[in-house]
Amino acid sequence: QSALTQPASVSGSPGQSITISCTGTISDVGGYNYVSWYQQYPGKAPKLMIYDVSNRPSGVSNRFSGSKSGNTASLTISGLQAEDEADYYCSSHTSSNTRVFGGGTRLTVL
Amino acid sequence: EVQLVESGGGLVKPGGSLRLSCAASGFAFNYAWMSWVRQAPGKGLEWVGRIKSKTDGGTTDYAAPVKGRFTISRDDSENTLFLQMNSLKTEDTAVYYCTTAGGSNWGQGTLVTVSS
Repeated sequence: QSALTQPASVSGSPGQSITISCTGTISDVGGYNYVSWYQQYPGKAPKLMIYDVSNRPSGVSNRFSGSKSGNTASLTISGLQAEDEADYYCSSHTSSNTRVFGGGTRLTVL
Repeated sequence: EVQLVESGGGLVKPGGSLRLSCAASGFAFNYAWMSWVRQAPGKGLEWVGRIKSKTDGGTTDYAAPVKGRFTISRDDSENTLFLQMNSLKTEDTAVYYCTTAGGSNWGQGTLVTVSS
């Protein structure tokens, strides 16, 4: 199972919106509505930000939203803040009954 | 409060074995599906495997790189998850995280270093 494809880095200025893409295949992202997104600060454990494509866990800011079209899922962060600077990973259920992560995207807030 | 605390990491030689534990508290562990995720130094997250609750069959699934070498098990009486790692390779060097299968809760991770 190959890793999902994410851009290595994205950047934006405070107040702007950015979108991180996560591309897979019909055997993972495209075949199931089980895509999750995680935020990770250096040296810390990941934190769940979005589950089942577009659902936010309790306590996660509504500035974070998720969507999916075909084999590509997306995480959008609106009203960018300095504290959003982190690594972001997508993850999907697969047809092999496993999960697969994306390679990760480093978000820089300019 | 949900807590997941991993232990058992350390330095091991290639070909060796190691057993990681994850002590869980603050939720109904016996009903939870649990996973292990690892992160090599400076690299991204990699799913290792998952075990279902006993009520859902208690079956396991593994990522291809560890299948046949790693075994996930659980002791619901002790609220503990295990990862038995055999035939370790240098590429298994990583921080290993215990998580609830939905990804809502993560431990702090334990470092496994495979080196001669």
